[in-house]
Amino acid sequence: AQSVTQLDSHVSVSEGTPVLLRCNYSSSYSPSLFWYVQHPNKGLQLLLKYTSAATLVKGINGFEAEFKKSETSFHLTKPSAHMSDAAEYFCVVSGGGTSYGKLTFGQGTILTVHP
Amino acid sequence: ETGVTQSPTHLIKTRGQQVTLRCSSQSGHNTVSWYQQALGQGPQFIFQYYREEENGRGNFPPRFSGLQFPNYSSELNVNALELDDSALYLCASSLAPRGIASTDTQYFGPGTRLTVL
Repeated sequence: AQSVTQLDSHVSVSEGTPVLLRCNYSSSYSPSLFWYVQHPNKGLQLLLKYTSAATLVKGINGFEAEFKKSETSFHLTKPSAHMSDAAEYFCVVSGGGTSYGKLTFGQGTILTVHP
Repeated sequence: ETGVTQSPTHLIKTRGQQVTLRCSSQSGHNTVSWYQQALGQGPQFIFQYYREEENGRGNFPPRFSGLQFPNYSSELNVNALELDDSALYLCASSLAPRGIASTDTQYFGPGTRLTVL
């Protein structure tokens, strides 16, 4: 079985300040982990992906995430928020066994960016 | 290279009716997955198709069924619609290398918004 917990349902930051979106996962297998972003009335866009090659993963638009196995965490960060970053973000896990072929999504974190 | 497309964009049905949603995979992809996203929730896995066969299913009743065609496009069919079926339905395609269905990076379409009255 696999699961994802996003620790904050809403995060609010000012433009130009750092962003931290927190995610913990559970998986019986070595997981692949993803962050996706969803802008209002749009589909899901892949931000970045971890597949065990490197623990620090760089994605698009200046986002990055660090895989910490000991903490079962995969937090998403960005040094400086931009107004266009306002959206909903999903942490996602995929794994093996009975979960093969299936992405499991967290509940989402809504990021608000204030001018 | 074209991305994942879905049709229709919006759909309104009444309880008990049947609905068919369509998805065209990204060029070169051979695997398609369907997800249901209820309002305020994360997407939930419905099922995945690889080379026209179902390859994994989530916790959805049999009235949710699908098809994948030789060109790797796909349909999601829902029978006996219920109010709780109102959601955004997302299709995602991926490429399974070496003939093995995989969970490799999935690329999502814009979704179909289904409203059941």
